[in-house]
Amino acid sequence: DIVMTQSPASLAVSLGERATINCRSSQSLLYSSNNKNYLAWYQQKPGQPPKLLIYWASTRESGVPDRFSGSGSGTDFTLTISSLQAEDVAVYYCQQYFSTPLLTFGPGTKVDVK
Amino acid sequence: EVQLVQSGAEVKKPGESLKISCQGSGYSFSTYWVAWVRQMPGKGLEWMGSIYPRDSDTRYSPSFQGQVTISADNFINTAHLQWSSLKASDTAIYFCARHADTGSVGDWGQGTLVTVSS
Repeated sequence: DIVMTQSPASLAVSLGERATINCRSSQSLLYSSNNKNYLAWYQQKPGQPPKLLIYWASTRESGVPDRFSGSGSGTDFTLTISSLQAEDVAVYYCQQYFSTPLLTFGPGTKVDVK
Repeated sequence: EVQLVQSGAEVKKPGESLKISCQGSGYSFSTYWVAWVRQMPGKGLEWMGSIYPRDSDTRYSPSFQGQVTISADNFINTAHLQWSSLKASDTAIYFCARHADTGSVGDWGQGTLVTVSS
């Protein structure tokens, strides 16, 4: 089974500042035949279902603000919010789908305003 | 527009059975995997399993194999999650979600709160 870890568990960032969340997988999520990383990021606000932000590690879902960006390859990935807005307060999860339909989520990172 | 609409909140006693549902619309229901995801109070997301409605191919997380049953009915575009004997530890919000063409999970239901208490 692929195990996902995230760091930090929580962080507080001033409005307008950068927030960085790290995600690591226990095995490579890079599929050599198409050179794609099978890694997605989700945002979940209280009382709501998760929302897909990024897939293929760095492709933004339609309608997602460009202050959200994803990077990384293989086993190490990063979600960056370039300028934190109040509406970005949420829990963020990474997820591998290399073994789709078998999925694994990371434990989540809570982002708050400092 | 893709929509996944889940059945309403349930309050059950330990040992009771339960079946909750997720009806898809706005897409070809039978040709996309449907996942079930658990979120216990104040906790993270856990993938339970997924079903391919066209042929009912079902995959379970080892953590949930034998604990729940996932099924689908193509005639009414609905996926189900069921328990034969609930435990207090099954108290959680359960989400259904559609696997996107990429394999990630792009569309989510609103969630069903299941409360198991004596």
